[in-house]
Amino acid sequence: AQSVTQLGSHVSVSEGALVLLRCNYSSSVPPYLFWYVQYPNQGLQLLLKYTSAATLVKGINGFVAEFKKSETSFHLTKPSAHMSDAAEYFCAVSDGQGGSEKLVFGKGTKLTVNP
Amino acid sequence: GAVVSQHPSRVICKSGTSVKIECRSLDFQATTMFWYRQFPKQSLMLMATSNEGSKATYEQGVEKDKFLINHASLTLSTLTVTSAHPEDSSFYICSARREFKAFFGQGTRLTVV
Repeated sequence: AQSVTQLGSHVSVSEGALVLLRCNYSSSVPPYLFWYVQYPNQGLQLLLKYTSAATLVKGINGFVAEFKKSETSFHLTKPSAHMSDAAEYFCAVSDGQGGSEKLVFGKGTKLTVNP
Repeated sequence: GAVVSQHPSRVICKSGTSVKIECRSLDFQATTMFWYRQFPKQSLMLMATSNEGSKATYEQGVEKDKFLINHASLTLSTLTVTSAHPEDSSFYICSARREFKAFFGQGTRLTVV
């Protein structure tokens, strides 16, 4: 069975500071990993996905995630936070490349960006 | 990008009544849609996979007679919560598959009083 653990339900950073959102996974098969973002009153949007092509994955809005098999982690980072980054972020794991198979989500991390 | 619309975004209903939530793919045809539920401070949990023209596949522990799913067309799937109880209060999200990608609706906040 697959599972995802997101450390920290709330993360607060100052504008311009580094953003680090943590995600650890458990999977018995090579995983496909995703980060989704949800802005208030909107659906989930795909930020980036890992499909074994490269361990460092670049996504939209300047976000990057690094797959570390030895640590079973897929942490999300952004060098400099912007006010518009305030949202809830979900890490997810799947056994299907396109996210079209069953997605197992973490509990989410709410990011607050302070001016 | 592809757009998935969910309606209503919020609904309050009385205990014992039924509520229908719609999920539409606005600019593409979706043979497969997924329904998720999220309780406060919990993960999104897959409830069922909805396939156009056939019966939905429910995840373990999800009551198929309580959560009725209909996927009668390639652009619409509906989830009906029958005989709702306060414990059914939750955030329900649908997603539709297009070209091996999942696109999500904005979610429906259901409150049963």
